[in-house]
Amino acid sequence: DAGVIQSPRHEVTEMGQEVTLRCKPISGHNSLFWYRQTMMRGLELLIYFNNNVPIDDSGMPEDRFSAKMPNASFSTLKIQPSEPRDSAVYFCASSLAGLAGADTQYFGPGTRLTVL
Amino acid sequence: QKEVEQNSGPLSVPEGAIASLNCTYSDRVSQSFFWYRQYSGKSPELIMSIYSNGDKEDGRFTAQLNKASQYVSLLIRDSQPSDSATYLCAPPLRGAGNMLTFGGGTRLMVKP
Repeated sequence: DAGVIQSPRHEVTEMGQEVTLRCKPISGHNSLFWYRQTMMRGLELLIYFNNNVPIDDSGMPEDRFSAKMPNASFSTLKIQPSEPRDSAVYFCASSLAGLAGADTQYFGPGTRLTVL
Repeated sequence: QKEVEQNSGPLSVPEGAIASLNCTYSDRVSQSFFWYRQYSGKSPELIMSIYSNGDKEDGRFTAQLNKASQYVSLLIRDSQPSDSATYLCAPPLRGAGNMLTFGGGTRLMVKP
């Protein structure tokens, strides 16, 4: 399997622009997670989907952030408008576990976002 | 109090020594714990999971869990320079289920 695929790997944009990050989970996995990692705040869970349905988005920092999962093989995280404080590495992860269980999460390579 | 506490390090050990990484958590109902390793510039990868009190061994790695003390540790025997990385402790968010909350990580440096 190719693992979790994320694109782009690097994104540099200017403040106020819209940014869309993409993720393809491992085939057959039913859980998908978006994380953000910074030196100051560490690795934070932004949103969790199970069977394409958003289960918990309490980690989404504000209304500028939105995430969708239109099908089992694709998810997007959108930031509109972007701000310099959004600069971070954004990881997508997927797992095979259901709502009640905890299982290995497989992380994608991440998207390094820089907002100027 | 943070949900998951780890010493940020760096923890420096000589090659061949035992590295001991510690983690305390605040949620008493946590039932499973995961240790992830993250090399610089890379994504986290799972190295150990533990679900019950006591020790679990996997090669050079041993995870130890003490639910009463809300403490979990990771021992790395015969440390190698290739073990130099940040180790993240991850109990489930709010005690159960599929969502994890990650500690800030402990940076380990193994010196040849």
